[in-house]
Amino acid sequence: DGGITQSPKYLFRKEGQNVTLSCEQNLNHDAMYWYRQDPGQGLRLIYYSQIVNDFQKGDIAEGYSVSREKKESFPLTVTSAQKNPTAFYLCASSIRGRQDTQYFGPGTRLTVL
Amino acid sequence: AQSVTQLGSHVSVSEGALVLLRCNYSSSVPPYLFWYVQYPNQGLQLLLKYTSAATLVKGINGFEAEFKKSETSFHLTKPSAHMSDAAEYFCATNRDDKIIFGKGTRLHILP
Repeated sequence: DGGITQSPKYLFRKEGQNVTLSCEQNLNHDAMYWYRQDPGQGLRLIYYSQIVNDFQKGDIAEGYSVSREKKESFPLTVTSAQKNPTAFYLCASSIRGRQDTQYFGPGTRLTVL
Repeated sequence: AQSVTQLGSHVSVSEGALVLLRCNYSSSVPPYLFWYVQYPNQGLQLLLKYTSAATLVKGINGFEAEFKKSETSFHLTKPSAHMSDAAEYFCATNRDDKIIFGKGTRLHILP
């Protein structure tokens, strides 16, 4: 089955530690996206990548970093510089140029203690 | 810049009653508009999308939305609510090469 996987489902980290969230897709999509979801805030775009080895900042990139070394993978690192990292993180992918049709992963809930 | 506003962060309807979730958009050019649904602790699933082909858009699970330019609205409706419709719903629009989401409306279904 084609789709997007995010792991783990739940993640706990101590304050001050960096943590990397995994996102893998086998849809052969060029474009991938990372969103952050907080209650009552909707989804806010962190980073996105239209092609391998290239990515752009979204609306709330501060305190986050990404890499896009492979078409299938777009890991997100939440650094210690992110002031309020506890949130639900969603990864999505789409055909390049067709950002109107994004497919979402199941999400990772990060809790920083 | 294109954006969407969802009216009401929580909406409650009785099972079998009409569902109406409101979304207004602001755009200087004809927008693409979307409705997504999110069940608890899951990702988002596309319900339907408007791309200017037809003003009444039918989606999955019996939902539909009507694009009204005069009202700058794209409200989501379903004639008869089912318990399984309880979820959070997001209106969204395109901006440049991104999608911009509204803040969401949580739909509660009363037995």
